[in-house]
Amino acid sequence: QKEVEQDPGPLSVPEGAIVSLNCTYSNSAFQYFMWYRQYSRKGPELLMYTYSSGNKEDGRFTAQVDKSSKYISLFIRDSQPSDSATYLCAMRTTGNQFYFGTGTSLTVIP
Amino acid sequence: DAGVIQSPRHEVTEMGQEVTLRCKPISGHNSLFWYRQTMMRGLELLIYFNNNVPIDDSGMPEDRFSAKMPNASFSTLKIQPSEPRDSAVYFCASYRGNTIYFGEGSWLTVV
Repeated sequence: QKEVEQDPGPLSVPEGAIVSLNCTYSNSAFQYFMWYRQYSRKGPELLMYTYSSGNKEDGRFTAQVDKSSKYISLFIRDSQPSDSATYLCAMRTTGNQFYFGTGTSLTVIP
Repeated sequence: DAGVIQSPRHEVTEMGQEVTLRCKPISGHNSLFWYRQTMMRGLELLIYFNNNVPIDDSGMPEDRFSAKMPNASFSTLKIQPSEPRDSAVYFCASYRGNTIYFGEGSWLTVV
């Protein structure tokens, strides 16, 4: 079993829709949870960072962590064509080992 | 801050040739990672350094791959000899303050 599982999609939504992206994981020692956004032919860039369980909001983006279910989500409200990208979840323990999902490809249609 | 700088951005080479990818991490970051990304396998960690010392190279596919970090501001990933299955995007990333920052990647095609 992979450490981190992520549905690769692709996901296609109309502009203005609410998008939900999800990852599950198996290692209960993960403490730090991140979402990265990767535009075509670019490197991943950090979008959201959360520690432990709970919600974190940043503009149109909300990251949610449920450690009891080993499940994390990223919600995008009022999605825009500029949100079209691949979204990767990532997580780590207290060490320096980062574990990435394979990414979900999102297209927002104008 | 210039971010993580990688070179070359694109490389096309013939099978059997040596390939050297270069990385300059963000100043002050004490950990450096090399990842490989493919459609099939996503991001795979090849090796990471802490304070210029290789800590975990278990992701290096085979002896054809080697990585060095001679000082805090420079690292190389070398493939010798290269094979078509090495075609991928290679990312360098540096780490500080709970997260990592990626470069733009080196797009390698081995024909």
